[in-house]
Amino acid sequence: AQKITQTQPGMFVQEKEAVTLDCTYDTSDPSYGLFWYKQPSSGEMIFLIYQGSYDQQNATEGRYSLNFQKARKSANLVISASQLGDSAMYFCAMRESLTDSWGKLQFGAGTQVVVTP
Amino acid sequence: NAGVTQTPKFQVLKTGQSMTLQCAQDMNHNSMYWYRQDPGMGLRLIYYSASEGTTDKGEVPNGYNVSRLNKREFSLRLESAAPSQTSVYFCASSEPSGRFYEQFFGPGTRLTVL
Repeated sequence: AQKITQTQPGMFVQEKEAVTLDCTYDTSDPSYGLFWYKQPSSGEMIFLIYQGSYDQQNATEGRYSLNFQKARKSANLVISASQLGDSAMYFCAMRESLTDSWGKLQFGAGTQVVVTP
Repeated sequence: NAGVTQTPKFQVLKTGQSMTLQCAQDMNHNSMYWYRQDPGMGLRLIYYSASEGTTDKGEVPNGYNVSRLNKREFSLRLESAAPSQTSVYFCASSEPSGRFYEQFFGPGTRLTVL
């Protein structure tokens, strides 16, 4: 069963606007971590932001913030003030159980973002 | 610090040929991973190595073998390549005591099997 769901295959956003990328997850493990990665057209995987299941506050890293709604099992990425360089594929990923998973990640299918001038 | 390196960057094989994808990391990480990326499916775990001397299957291990040669190196072997193995392959490493148990990815190998 799919554990990470990204329902938006692609989206367009205008430069300087904010964009929200949806991610829902499925786990019965009380201890888990959620990651967002960016993959530009060059292909490398770039870590953006992390949210732990026990973290009290939503994670933020510069223009990236994570809207974590634990009860809804939702971890949406918000990119503020979009730039042309934000055009990329974005992946949501989950690691279940800090102690037992050996760090293994499960990825969603990704959302392709195109930023237009 | 090179991080995670992978060779080759590109490879074309004929069905039935074999090859080994090489991965090395210089961050002294204990855990290493091999993923494949296919359109519309994100990354899927093929094999992982929690620490030197151990390997284990991930979500899609069929058709692949791995070797954890030492702490630095983790190779992925295709014994008899099939067109279904056409994909982009990523190696990653992480350290349990590190920040978030974060994974660091190599640049990827684009493999085409004809």
